[in-house]
Amino acid sequence: EAGVAQSPRYKIIEKRQSVAFWCNPISGHATLYWYQQILGQGPKLLIQFQNNGVVDDSQLPKDRFSAERLKGVDSTLKIQPAKLEDSAVYLCASSLERKTGELFFGEGSRLTVL
Amino acid sequence: GDSVTQMEGPVTLSEEAFLTINCTYTATGYPSLFWYVQYPGEGLQLLLKATKADDKGSNKGFEATYRKETTSFHLEKGSVQVSDSAVYFCALRLTSGNTGKLIFGQGTTLQVKP
Repeated sequence: EAGVAQSPRYKIIEKRQSVAFWCNPISGHATLYWYQQILGQGPKLLIQFQNNGVVDDSQLPKDRFSAERLKGVDSTLKIQPAKLEDSAVYLCASSLERKTGELFFGEGSRLTVL
Repeated sequence: GDSVTQMEGPVTLSEEAFLTINCTYTATGYPSLFWYVQYPGEGLQLLLKATKADDKGSNKGFEATYRKETTSFHLEKGSVQVSDSAVYFCALRLTSGNTGKLIFGQGTTLQVKP
């Protein structure tokens, strides 16, 4: 069974530039999550989708971050404009259904903002 | 608010030593509790879980018992191996509400030396 795929693995940009991350979840998984993991901290949920609808985006900085999950499969997370404090690993995860707590994570996309 | 606190790392042990990584939580209601592990270069993966008080989760020689009276979920292993070197994350999932999101601790790095 293929795992959660993310790209790019690494990205370096200057502040005020934009960046986009892509995620392909495990086939059949209805719930998709984007987490932000800053160095030395645990992952923090940014946004959660159930199929192509948003379930929780309470911690998403909506002035600069956006995410979509078209057709309930792939998802894209965008940051525009980036700030220095956005330097982090962006983790995508998926689960069969939202109340299981058993998430399957991708390897993450590491963003460095200079 | 709801939170998870883990012991500071890194934890450095010799092979075959006994491991304990402490985890305590603060939550309203009765959360489910999880340990996730991140091996070098890989995504987070579920190690074990417990869904109610006094439940013991176990996997790969690791164990953790859900202690409601002390709000703890400490991870233990009787004899660690070099291959156990990884970052370990304790997490909780609130059982009330619709999102089922996970709240993670900051992670504890384990280094096992031969």
